[in-house]
Amino acid sequence: SQQGEEDPQALSIQEGENATMNCSYKTSINNLQWYRQNSGRGLVHLILIRSNEREKHSGRLRVTLDTSKKSSSLLITASRAADTASYFCATAITSGTYKYIFGTGTRLKVLA
Amino acid sequence: EPEVTQTPSHQVTQMGQEVILRCVPISNHLYFYWYRQILGQKVEFLVSFYNNEISEKSEIFDDQFSVERPDGSNFTLKIRSTKLEDSAMYFCASTRWAGSRETQYFGPGTRLLVL
Repeated sequence: SQQGEEDPQALSIQEGENATMNCSYKTSINNLQWYRQNSGRGLVHLILIRSNEREKHSGRLRVTLDTSKKSSSLLITASRAADTASYFCATAITSGTYKYIFGTGTRLKVLA
Repeated sequence: EPEVTQTPSHQVTQMGQEVILRCVPISNHLYFYWYRQILGQKVEFLVSFYNNEISEKSEIFDDQFSVERPDGSNFTLKIRSTKLEDSAMYFCASTRWAGSRETQYFGPGTRLLVL
C-alpha cells in the first residue's frame, strides 16, 4: 500500500450516524494529521496526533493511532449533512525535512 | 485565528506562459511548503523552504518550478513555461517550527488552468 491510504474510498451514511475512516501508512512517522476538504476547496486542519499518542478527541472527532499496525482512524460521531466532504490523512515524515505525505482520501456523504 | 492566504484564487493561462502563485504564510511561521492537487487526485508535496532556501523538493519540482520569498511576508511559486499537465490546485502551507507538535496550516489554494 502507499504511504497514507484511506479506506473506504467512499462512504455514505445517514445524518446522526457515526462515520469511521481509516488510514494506513508504511514508514515511521512523527505525527499524523487529518484534514477535511470540501469539493474543490482548501484543506481544513482537523486534528493532529503525535506518534507517542494513541487517541485524541476534538468535539465530535475522535482519532486513534496504532503505530504497531501503522494505522489511524478518524471517527465522526453524530454526523451532520455539513460533514459531507473528503477527508485526508497526512503523515509527517522526516526524511530530509519535514513534509507531509497525503493519503488518497475518503469521500464522505451524509444524507439528511 | 491567523491563516495562510493565497492569490489569485483562480488563474487561467496559455500553455508556455509563466505564472506566479502567491502566498502569505502565517506571520510567525518559519517553514513554508507548496503542494499540488490534480483534480480528483491526492495532494502531492512539491517543495519545502526554510531560511531562504529550498530544504527539499519532490521529483515533480523540476527546473520549470522555482520558489522565492521576495520580502518578509510573501512566498511565491513560479512556473516558468506552463504545460497542460500543470493544471491543478496549488496549496501553500506553513508551520512555525519543524516538529511533531506542529500543525501544518494550508491556504485556500489557487486553481490553475492551463489551456
